[in-house]
Amino acid sequence: DAKTTQPTSMDCAEGRAANLPCNHSTISGNEYVYWYRQIHSQGPQYIIHGLKNNETNEMASLIITEDRKSSTLILPHATLRDTAVYYCIVRPNYGGSQGNLIFGKGTKLSVKP
Amino acid sequence: GAGVSQSPRYKVAKRGQDVALRCDPISGHVSLFWYQQALGQGPEFLTYFQNEAQLDKSGLPSDRFFAERPEGSVSTLKIQRTQQEDSAVYLCASSLRLEGSGYTFGSGTRLTVV
Repeated sequence: DAKTTQPTSMDCAEGRAANLPCNHSTISGNEYVYWYRQIHSQGPQYIIHGLKNNETNEMASLIITEDRKSSTLILPHATLRDTAVYYCIVRPNYGGSQGNLIFGKGTKLSVKP
Repeated sequence: GAGVSQSPRYKVAKRGQDVALRCDPISGHVSLFWYQQALGQGPEFLTYFQNEAQLDKSGLPSDRFFAERPEGSVSTLKIQRTQQEDSAVYLCASSLRLEGSGYTFGSGTRLTVV
């Protein structure tokens, strides 16, 4: 079972910041927080990941609370192309099947003009 | 190629028919995963390869499902005697290293069993 809880759906106005929350209260010390998104009819796409520090890349920012029990993915200026299902996943940062991604149902983000 | 390629993109099979789904990972990628995604659900793990070795097949739903990666590159997921509940999108993902960041997914094969 997924170890994260996310809202089922969210709306965001185009050009505004989209803030997607995720609860992972049972996260272990060696587990990272990963975010993927899945645009309709495509495979999931990696966005960002982090352990305890906030992270930023060209796609998004990841804010992890100090107790690591929750996080927020921020899309600073959402566009219509950001409409997708966003998955928050916790997993250890090593490979093999132990690094398998366990997806929940994610948050369906709808960006509206 | 630049990404993970899966074929066919769509497959309609009659119940009882055998199907084979192909995954071409990014060249040189060591790890390869297969996932099954039912409508409205997140992807679910099926099996994992490290090069040509199938190290984990715990997610395969029945012995009708079989996967191989004989030369450590292209992988095939075979489903024998397909049933309606096998209808789903089958996703393949690969990764360069054994550990670390993101996996690259293909666009999947949508299997419809009628």
